[in-house]
Amino acid sequence: AQSVAQPEDQVNVAEGNPLTVKCTYSVSGNPYLFWYVQYPNRGLQFLLKYITGDNLVKGSYGFEAEFNKSQTSFHLKKPSALVSDSALYFCAVRDDPPMRFGAGTRLTVKP
Amino acid sequence: DTGVSQDPRHKITKRGQNVTFRCDPISEHNRLYWYRQTLGQGPEFLTYFQNEAQLEKSRLLSDRFSAERPKGSFSTLEIQRTEQGDSAMYLCASSLTGDSNEQYFGPGTRLTVT
Repeated sequence: AQSVAQPEDQVNVAEGNPLTVKCTYSVSGNPYLFWYVQYPNRGLQFLLKYITGDNLVKGSYGFEAEFNKSQTSFHLKKPSALVSDSALYFCAVRDDPPMRFGAGTRLTVKP
Repeated sequence: DTGVSQDPRHKITKRGQNVTFRCDPISEHNRLYWYRQTLGQGPEFLTYFQNEAQLEKSRLLSDRFSAERPKGSFSTLEIQRTEQGDSAMYLCASSLTGDSNEQYFGPGTRLTVT
């Protein structure tokens, strides 16, 4: 079965600094990878996806993610963090067709 | 609002009672999914429909759980004889057919079993 792992429960960054939220995957075949964000008491919001093609994927709210096949990673990045980016972030992989989610990483951006 | 909607947003029930949740997907989406999310965890897949057909059920979906999607539109998830372990956020999502298509999530129904 397809799976993803998020090795960090918590990431803290200062506003204006770059941020990275890590995700590694384990799949058979070509992976369909996704990032979602969840704000308190809300459902998940889609940020971006990798299907094929360019390894750098751009998404909503200035986020991007880099697909690295040799390292089986799909890290989420943003050049300059905002306080409003503070939320719970989930990496997911499509598993024909349900999503398999990581446990989530809580991002805190401090002013 | 053209997003996925869920009703109710919150449900408190006593152990042993039955509860039913409703999900209205994005209108042109033919796939509908149910997930469960507990505190500190990512969503876990329960079941999904393509149109009115229920195509897959997770082992998490015990025989106390049943889901329907009559006419391929809205869906209901019923839990019979609720247990305290059923307390969770129940999320509904919808998508177009095709594995590259992202799923769009509703706000969830938070169930508390006392």
